Amino acid sequence: GAVVSQHPSWVICKSGTSVKIECRSLDFQATTMFWYRQFPKQSLMLMATSNEGSKATYEQGVEKDKFLINHASLTLSTLTVTSAHPEDSSFYICSARGELAGGPYEQYFGPGTRLTVT
Amino acid sequence: DAKTTQPPSMDCAEGRAANLPCNHSTISGNEYVYWYRQIHSQGPQYIIHGLKNNETNEMASLIITEDRKSSTLILPHATLRDTAVYYCIVRNTGGFKTIFGAGTRLFVKA
Repeated sequence: GAVVSQHPSWVICKSGTSVKIECRSLDFQATTMFWYRQFPKQSLMLMATSNEGSKATYEQGVEKDKFLINHASLTLSTLTVTSAHPEDSSFYICSARGELAGGPYEQYFGPGTRLTVT
Repeated sequence: DAKTTQPPSMDCAEGRAANLPCNHSTISGNEYVYWYRQIHSQGPQYIIHGLKNNETNEMASLIITEDRKSSTLILPHATLRDTAVYYCIVRNTGGFKTIFGAGTRLFVKA
């Protein structure tokens, strides 16, 4: 089946530094990728939507200068958390929309990246 | 995309069927019902989706009422590994983004 990978699976960084999270679609070309954030015991919150080669569209309340999204190819999107602070500690999940060979056009989710800012 | 309402939590005995309800009374004609689940500290996993007919796959069955205002996800023989949060979502297949509600936390007990 479709596989969406994320790297790293977990990361610890110091306050004020920047962290980059990669999201890759391994079995298909993803024309659209999504980034979600999830705090403990809460649901997933959509942060932004990105199309390959275009600027990301951010949801209301999400700071685009803080969460930089790059979707440079049909198989890779990156989320960079700039000047991270402890309140940015969260579980970040990416999702990719695409079509498997002979399969449905669907949305597939990555395993998530746990970010801890100290 | 239409909003959904799910019970916050449910219990189920191992080996028994788990029936998870979802209300989507404002669903429009071209919106599908999707179910995902999220096991602790993992990304969401697709389970099943349907438009108006009942659907079944290797994981579950989806029963959609005739008026499409509600649906039920059925896990026929729940196991401890089915303990997770289950999300019911309605959207177009070409729908641009998946918005998650609070979901139902299912506890499968031995």
